[in-house]
Amino acid sequence: DAMVIQNPRYQVTQFGKPVTLSCSQTLNHNVMYWYQQKSSQAPKLLFHYYDKDFNNEADTPDNFQSRRPNTSFCFLDIRSPGLGDAAMYLCATSSGLAVMADTQYFGPGTRLTVL
Amino acid sequence: SQKIEQNSEALNIQEGKTATLTCNYTNYSPAYLQWYRQDPGRGPVFLLLIRENEKEKRKERLKVTFDTTLKQSLFHITASQPADSATYLCALDVSNTGKLIFGQGTTLQVKP
Repeated sequence: DAMVIQNPRYQVTQFGKPVTLSCSQTLNHNVMYWYQQKSSQAPKLLFHYYDKDFNNEADTPDNFQSRRPNTSFCFLDIRSPGLGDAAMYLCATSSGLAVMADTQYFGPGTRLTVL
Repeated sequence: SQKIEQNSEALNIQEGKTATLTCNYTNYSPAYLQWYRQDPGRGPVFLLLIRENEKEKRKERLKVTFDTTLKQSLFHITASQPADSATYLCALDVSNTGKLIFGQGTTLQVKP
């Protein structure tokens, strides 16, 4: 089945130690998104790629970076995780072919713990 | 300021009853609105999309309404089942670019 895969499902890191979360998709979608979701809160968009074009949200801290080496893979890098960065990180994709009505397909998420 | 509001209190209903969840927004004029289901520890799953020119949309036991005058969408689950227990998120494309802004979700608990 076509899907969005996130690895690892659970990640523990130390305060200030860089960490990378990965996302892959078999849907061949043009758009890939990264969201941060804290407990009982709305998913918050960090940034997205339309093909190779990177689009950062204005309020996304510089501590968060992303790479998309090819259509299938997208990475979220947190350069110096703080305690406030502990959250669920969700990767999503959309086709990008119907901008006015494009649904998103989410991965299972990576739960990040910062010690 | 721009806001999307969903009832943060959990909704508890009896099996077989109709669940109604509300999504209100201010200062947006979205072309469409989407509803997603999220189970604990999992990513959201798309359920329904309704466009601004549609008053109502149905899918099996699910029904969504969209009132652009009231700036409100209602999400109904008829003949609810314990398996419907989850958090339901509404999402708007606020800039008509495909990017979604999500509400914080309402947790539904259906009791047998």
